[in-house]
Amino acid sequence: DAKTTQPNSMESNEEEPVHLPCNHSTISGTDYIHWYRQLPSQGPEYVIHGLTSNVNNRMASLAIAEDRKSSTLILHRATLRDAAVYYCILIQGNEKLTFGTGTRLTIIP
Amino acid sequence: EADIYQTPRYLVIGTGKKITLECSQTMGHDKMYWYQQDPGMELHLIHYSYGVNSTEKGDLSSESTVSRIRTEHFPLTLESARPSHTSQYLCASTQGTANTEAFFGQGTRLTVV
Repeated sequence: DAKTTQPNSMESNEEEPVHLPCNHSTISGTDYIHWYRQLPSQGPEYVIHGLTSNVNNRMASLAIAEDRKSSTLILHRATLRDAAVYYCILIQGNEKLTFGTGTRLTIIP
Repeated sequence: EADIYQTPRYLVIGTGKKITLECSQTMGHDKMYWYQQDPGMELHLIHYSYGVNSTEKGDLSSESTVSRIRTEHFPLTLESARPSHTSQYLCASTQGTANTEAFFGQGTRLTVV
């Protein structure tokens, strides 16, 4: 299984952009890059995913490096409600969905 | 809008009791998962299913068992609960391709006393 590496924790000020990095140097051509987040005391929720091109949705943007060996989840304007653990996951084909340790994001008021 | 439900949300039960945690989804998803998560710790995959009559053990060994008799239903059973089973159990489902998102239930917080 291709693996991802994320910082254990990050802090950001409220109302500022947040860039959450993810390294996946062993990614294969058919791996999709998914991001999920888990708010305190809740189940994970989907944030965004992509294959090669950058992606935008109402929650965030996903910037994928040209060689696909890294990606960045961008929260354009962090709020206190964005404090969560963010997981970067690679998924291909019929693979099972497994999580790593993720990045614990703290938002400073 | 996620249509995946777990019951109960909270359960406190005595040692030795048999319990079943329910998970149902109305999206017609083939793939379903069970995860175990202790407070502040990682999500560990304990069971998954690719469809009716298909069940597999996950990466973390668990004394629980699962069944998949209907597409929408993926219950998890502990035949004899022990304090070491105290944890949060999360259920998820996905259509199954890498290009689709997974949906999670709200979880069941189990305490065995």
